[in-house]
Amino acid sequence: NAGVMQNPRHLVRRRGQEARLRCSPMKGHSHVYWYRQLPEEGLKFMVYLQKENIIDESGMPKERFSAEFPKEGPSILRIQQVVRGDSAAYFCASSPYSTGELFFGEGSRLTVL
Amino acid sequence: EDQVTQSPEALRLQEGESSSLNCSYTVSGLRGLFWYRQDPGKGPEFLFTLYSAGEEKEKERLKATLTKKESFLHITAPKPEDSATYLCAVQVPLAGNNRKLIWGLGTSLAVNP
Repeated sequence: NAGVMQNPRHLVRRRGQEARLRCSPMKGHSHVYWYRQLPEEGLKFMVYLQKENIIDESGMPKERFSAEFPKEGPSILRIQQVVRGDSAAYFCASSPYSTGELFFGEGSRLTVL
Repeated sequence: EDQVTQSPEALRLQEGESSSLNCSYTVSGLRGLFWYRQDPGKGPEFLFTLYSAGEEKEKERLKATLTKKESFLHITAPKPEDSATYLCAVQVPLAGNNRKLIWGLGTSLAVNP
């Protein structure tokens, strides 16, 4: 059973471009969570999705950021018009139901030049 | 406001020198407390779940305990491979049957040979 797959692992964008991060949850998992982590800082919750529905987006900036988890395919975290402050590691996690036992991917590291 | 505080921020031990990490919390409606380990450049890895005061869980050199206000992660005779950041998260209810995690900032543990 493959783990949580995130891609790309590393992404470089120039200011103003768009970044799309993809997350394929573990097989059988319908709950997906996105987190952001800056060097030497803790995990910052962004959004919690369950197939086609956003359950909690309280941690996601109101502008430029969006997330989806369609019925088919991976979950996508989209950042429009990136700025240098968006540079961070973005982690995706999944679970089979609403639980604190999450399975994390290896992360996508975004660098904005 | 729901809050999770971990201490110390960083801890350096000699191999074999036992110690404890602390996770204190003030939340409304605790639904579980979770410990994770994170290695540099990797996603967090689930370790333990604790649900009620007095509960204890063990895994190799690690033992997690829970009281009504805090949890401890005891590390007995640590080895260099135990070096990592240890994260604590508390689960609280969301609307419907969903739940969310409130994360601490972590304790960075270094074990010297």
